[in-house]
Amino acid sequence: DGGITQSPKYLFRKEGQNVTLSCEQNLNHDAMYWYRQDPGQGLRLIYYSQIVNDFQKGDIAEGYSVSREKKESFPLTVTSAQKNPTAFYLCASRQQGRDQPQHFGDGTRLSIL
Amino acid sequence: KNQVEQSPQSLIILEGKNCTLQCNYTVSPFSNLRWYKQDTGRGPVSLTIMTFSENTKSNGRYTATLDADTKQSSLHITASQLSDSASYICVVSVNNQGGKLIFGQGTELSVKP
Repeated sequence: DGGITQSPKYLFRKEGQNVTLSCEQNLNHDAMYWYRQDPGQGLRLIYYSQIVNDFQKGDIAEGYSVSREKKESFPLTVTSAQKNPTAFYLCASRQQGRDQPQHFGDGTRLSIL
Repeated sequence: KNQVEQSPQSLIILEGKNCTLQCNYTVSPFSNLRWYKQDTGRGPVSLTIMTFSENTKSNGRYTATLDADTKQSSLHITASQLSDSASYICVVSVNNQGGKLIFGQGTELSVKP
């Protein structure tokens, strides 16, 4: 079955620690995205990638890093520089084309210990 | 500034009743408007997409409308079911920006028996 898989479902971070969230897709989509979702707010774009080995900052990239070494994979690292990392993180992918939808994974909930 | 505002913030209805959710946007240039359903702890799933020239579109018990002149959209749910309990997110795509999306904050719908 085609789709987007995010892991882990729940993640806890200690002070000063970097953590990496996994996102894998088998939809053969070129574009992939990372969003952050906080209560009462719309999704905010962290990073996106239109093609392998290339990515751009979104609206709230500070304290985060990504890589896109393979078409299927777009991991997000939450670094210790991100002072308020507690949130629900959503990964999405999209086929190129004007009205193509973004397909979302089921998210990773990150909390501070 | 590109913005999407949704109302109400939350809504409680009885099973079998109808309801209408509202979305106002100030996004330019406009490409399309999509409604997503997000179950608790899951990723959003696309319900409908509407382009500039479309006024109404249905997907089962969901009917979306778009007034491009007033920049308003609505999502009407008929004969609500318990499984309709979710957050409904209005998302507007910005034209000529590689699929950039502007997300509303969502309407939390609770359907009670």
